[in-house]
Formats: sequence, structure tokens, C-alpha cells
Amino acid sequence: DAGVIQSPRHEVTEMGQEVTLRCKPISGHNSLFWYRQTMMRGLELLIYFNNNVPIDDSGMPEDRFSAKMPNASFSTLKIQPSEPRDSAVYFCASTGLTDTQYFGPGTRLTVL
Amino acid sequence: SQKIEQNSEALNIQEGKTATLTCNYTNYSPAYLQWYRQDPGRGPVFLLLIRENEKEKRKERLKVTFDTTLKQSLFHITASQPADSATYLCALYSSASKIIFGSGTRLSIRP
Repeated sequence: DAGVIQSPRHEVTEMGQEVTLRCKPISGHNSLFWYRQTMMRGLELLIYFNNNVPIDDSGMPEDRFSAKMPNASFSTLKIQPSEPRDSAVYFCASTGLTDTQYFGPGTRLTVL
Repeated sequence: SQKIEQNSEALNIQEGKTATLTCNYTNYSPAYLQWYRQDPGRGPVFLLLIRENEKEKRKERLKVTFDTTLKQSLFHITASQPADSATYLCALYSSASKIIFGSGTRLSIRP
């Protein structure tokens, strides 16, 4: 299995632009998680889906952030409009029958 | 408020010694706890899981303990090697299926 796939790996954008991060979970996994990691705040859970349904989005910082999971093999995290304070590494992770989280390589986002 | 603390930001030890990392929590009743390893530029990788009714778990040179009275988990790496240098994260799962990660401890093993 290729593991969790994220794209792009790096994204540099200007403040005010829309940013879309993409994730393909491991085939057969039924839960998907989006995290944000910064030096100051560590690894923060933003939202997670179970069977494509958002279960807990209490970690989403504000309305500028939205996430979708249209099917079992694809999810997006969108930031519109982006701000410099959104700069971070964004990870996607998926779980199957156990609660072991399999993380993707992350997307490093820089908002100028 | 719920809080997780990992003993220090960084830990430096000599090769061959045992590294001990600490994860403390407050206002939280975790159903189980996990430890992950994260290398620079990569996502965390799962190492071990320990449940609230388990005292100790082992995997090769790794050992995890879980004391629900002290609200603490200890993560040990015996016979440490420079290749063990990484950041180690603890993660707690509550009965409400909430997951919270600690901020991590950066471990450096010097030859």
C-alpha cells in the first residue's frame, strides 16, 4: 500500500488567496483526520471524518477553514481566505479497524 | 482544562543508556494512550499503544508504562542508538473518542 498521500507537499501563497490541501487515505480505512502542526501549538486536531461523515470539527479554527470528504478515498481541507498565521504543516491521517493513526507526509503551507 | 505535558522539549543522552520520556496529563480520563515517533519533515509514526487497564507494554527495545493514579505514562528506550534520535509524541484518547497530542520531546542520542 502507498500509505496516506497528501498533495501538494509544499504550498506558498499570498495572503487572501484560497488554498486547497488534498488527502488520499489508505484504502479500506474508514476514519480520516486533519491536523495542523506548528512549533508554538504542536499537533492540533482540526476535524475528523468517520465513513465520510464529519464527526468532530471543534478544532477548526474559524469559518475560513472547511473540509470535505466526498468519498472514501479523497478529502480536502480548504482555507479561504488564507492568512499568514495559517502557515504550518498540515497532516492528514487515517485509521482502520484499530485506532493506530497512519499519517501522510504533510503539506508545508507558507502564507506570505 | 484538559492538559498534556511531555517532560521536556529536548533530551540528550549518551548512546547505550536508557532514555526515559514522560507524558503527564490532567483533567482527563484516557481510555488509552499511544506513543509516536516523528522525524524531521515527516509525519508521526505509531510505536506503541497502552490501555488504561494495562500497566506496561513492551516492543523490542521500547517499553511504555501507564499509571492512571499518577496520570502519567513513561516511555523507555533501552540500549539507545543514534538512530533513535527523533521527536516522540504521546497521544491520549478519551472515552469520547477525542484525541489530544502532547507537544513532543526531542530526543538526541550522542555517540
